[in-house]
Amino acid sequence: AQSVTQLDSQVPVFEEAPVELRCNYSSSVSVYLFWYVQYPNQGLQLLLKYLSGSTLVKGINGFEAEFNKSQTSFHLRKPSVHISDTAEYFCAVSAQGGSEKLVFGKGTKLTVNP
Amino acid sequence: DVKVTQSSRYLVKRTGEKVFLECVQDMDHENMFWYRQDPGLGLRLIYFSYDVKMKEKGDIPEGYSVSREKKERFSLILESASTNQTSMYLCASKIPGQGYEQYFGPGTRLTVT
Repeated sequence: AQSVTQLDSQVPVFEEAPVELRCNYSSSVSVYLFWYVQYPNQGLQLLLKYLSGSTLVKGINGFEAEFNKSQTSFHLRKPSVHISDTAEYFCAVSAQGGSEKLVFGKGTKLTVNP
Repeated sequence: DVKVTQSSRYLVKRTGEKVFLECVQDMDHENMFWYRQDPGLGLRLIYFSYDVKMKEKGDIPEGYSVSREKKERFSLILESASTNQTSMYLCASKIPGQGYEQYFGPGTRLTVT
């Protein structure tokens, strides 16, 4: 079985500052990794995903994430955040060759202050 | 653009009522999912359907059932609503095969009083 740990439940930052949202996973098999974002009063939408290949993945809205197999991590980064990045961010994992299901972390609430 | 719609954004029901939450997707996706989202708990899978009339239990199926009579529609049923089922319910759909993203609806916030 897979599990996901998002190490920070809340991250407050100032506008134009860099941010890193941390995600660690546990799995006995290789995995696919995803970051989703949920803006207030909306459903989730995909930010980026790692399937294979380059460990640095670029997504929408200037976000990127790096897959580190030895650390079992998939941290999300943005060099300069905007007020509009205020949202909840979810890391998710699925097992390669396994079920279609995703296992989600508990989420990190990013608040960007002026 | 994929569109996943849910029948209600907000719903208030009484304890013991039978509740139907409807989800419709317009992209001919085989796979559909129902999650509940609670603060501090993230998303938890209730049920998953991989084809019409096919379903699989998720992590928290107790107190829920589902129906998938048509490919585009996936219904979540609370047979007898209880206050601990007060939550945000999210529906999603995707193409079969790993690595494909799930597309989410806007959610239904259900309050059971």
